[in-house]
Amino acid sequence: QVQLQESGPGLVKPSETLSLTCAVSHSSITSAHFWGWIRQPPGKGLEWIGNINHSGSTYYNPSLESRVTMSIDTSKNQFSLKLSSVTAADTAVYYCARDFGDYGLPLGVFDPWGQGTLVTVSS
Amino acid sequence: EIVLTQSPVTLSSSPGERATLSCRASQSVSNYLAWYQQKPGQAPRLLIYDASHRPTGIPARFSGSGSGTDFTLTISSLEPEDSAVYYCQQRSKWPSITFGQGTRLEIK
Repeated sequence: QVQLQESGPGLVKPSETLSLTCAVSHSSITSAHFWGWIRQPPGKGLEWIGNINHSGSTYYNPSLESRVTMSIDTSKNQFSLKLSSVTAADTAVYYCARDFGDYGLPLGVFDPWGQGTLVTVSS
Repeated sequence: EIVLTQSPVTLSSSPGERATLSCRASQSVSNYLAWYQQKPGQAPRLLIYDASHRPTGIPARFSGSGSGTDFTLTISSLEPEDSAVYYCQQRSKWPSITFGQGTRLEIK
C-alpha cells in the first residue's frame, strides 16, 4: 500500500523560502499518477497547492502560482515543494498526496495522503 | 473561483442514525465533486469522488449523490468512528480546485 511521508523544517522566517520533501514508498513515483501538495492552516480548511508528475509536468493553484515551485527526483522516489516569500499566512500543516487519477492525467482528487507536517512562519 | 458552502456546520447524531451532509457550489461543477473524512490529528481520507463513486475499501454506508450545484453525503447508519470533519471538494475548473469549509459530525 502506497505511503507518503513529508519532511522539512518546521520553522521558516518571514520572506524566506519554505522547502518540503515527500518520500513515496511501496509505489513508483514514475507511475501514471500525478503527485500533489495540499495545506491546512491550523483550525481551518484545506487549500490545494499543486500537482506534479514523473516528467516534471506541473499544475499550480493560480492563487499561489507566482510563489510555488514543485520538482521531482525519480532516483529517490520523492517530490518536493518550494514556496517563496512566505508570511505568517503560510503557516499550515502541509500534506503530500497521490492524485487518484491513474491514466497519466491529473484527476484533482487525492488519495492517499501523508500524515502532514506543520510549518510555522515566524521570526 | 468556485465557492463550496457546506451545511450544517456541526451535526450531532447518535449511533445507528442516518446523517445527511450537504455541499452547495456557487456555480455548476457537473459531477466533479469529492468528499473527504478527516479525524482529529489525521490526514483527510477520500470517501467519494465524482459525486457518487466510492473508492475501494470505503464502507458501503457512505454514499454520495447530486450534480450541478447541490450535493449530499449520506452515512446510512452511523458508527462511533464516523466522528470527524467532512469536506467536499470540486475539480470542475481545473487547475482551480477548491474545498468547502467542512461539516463537523459528532456522534453522541
